Amino acid sequence: DVKVTQSSRYLVKRTGEKVFLECVQDMDHENMFWYRQDPGLGLRLIYFSYDVKMKEKGDIPEGYSVSREKKERFSLILESASTNQTSMYLCASSWGTLSTNQPQHFGDGTRLSIL
Amino acid sequence: GENVEQHPSTLSVQEGDSAVIKCTYSDSASNYFPWYKQELGKRPQLIIDIRSNVGEKKDQRIAVTLNKTAKHFSLHITETQPEDSAVYFCAARPSGFQKLVFGTGTRLLVSP
Repeated sequence: DVKVTQSSRYLVKRTGEKVFLECVQDMDHENMFWYRQDPGLGLRLIYFSYDVKMKEKGDIPEGYSVSREKKERFSLILESASTNQTSMYLCASSWGTLSTNQPQHFGDGTRLSIL
Repeated sequence: GENVEQHPSTLSVQEGDSAVIKCTYSDSASNYFPWYKQELGKRPQLIIDIRSNVGEKKDQRIAVTLNKTAKHFSLHITETQPEDSAVYFCAARPSGFQKLVFGTGTRLLVSP
């Protein structure tokens, strides 16, 4: 069974802090994704990566950056946290290349509060 | 880019009734359409998916239909049970991308 592990379930940080959210998958998946989930807005893609050291902007990348130094680990970074970044953050991974259609597997999420 | 619209936002049914959730997409080149179920406080989990070369797929009480001409796809749940209560998300994968574009979700409540 695919295991996607996010480092924290709940996190409280202060405005202006640099925040790191970590995600690790154990299935050697090529692709990894970061979403934020807000009521009524569904899942919105922040960044994704289809290979080590590769990254692509999603639909709402402003205020975020990512790092993928190893295949199994994908980090989301809030450079200077703001209150409007309070949200549930979900990490996902999937197998395959651009020519395949494979489902994404999600972690349990990190509920981040910025005070 | 791809845009996915999902309706209704909430759906209440009695146990044993059927439930239908509908999604439309904008990019005619999208070729993969998964559905996820998210129970309260839990991760989204894939329940069924369909590829663009198939019109319908069934798995026990769950079925998905795809109309490529009209660019819409639907989730059908028959004989609903209280444990079907959850938020359901549809998604579409634009051709040439590994990312998914999600709908805004449908909260399904099945009353005993």
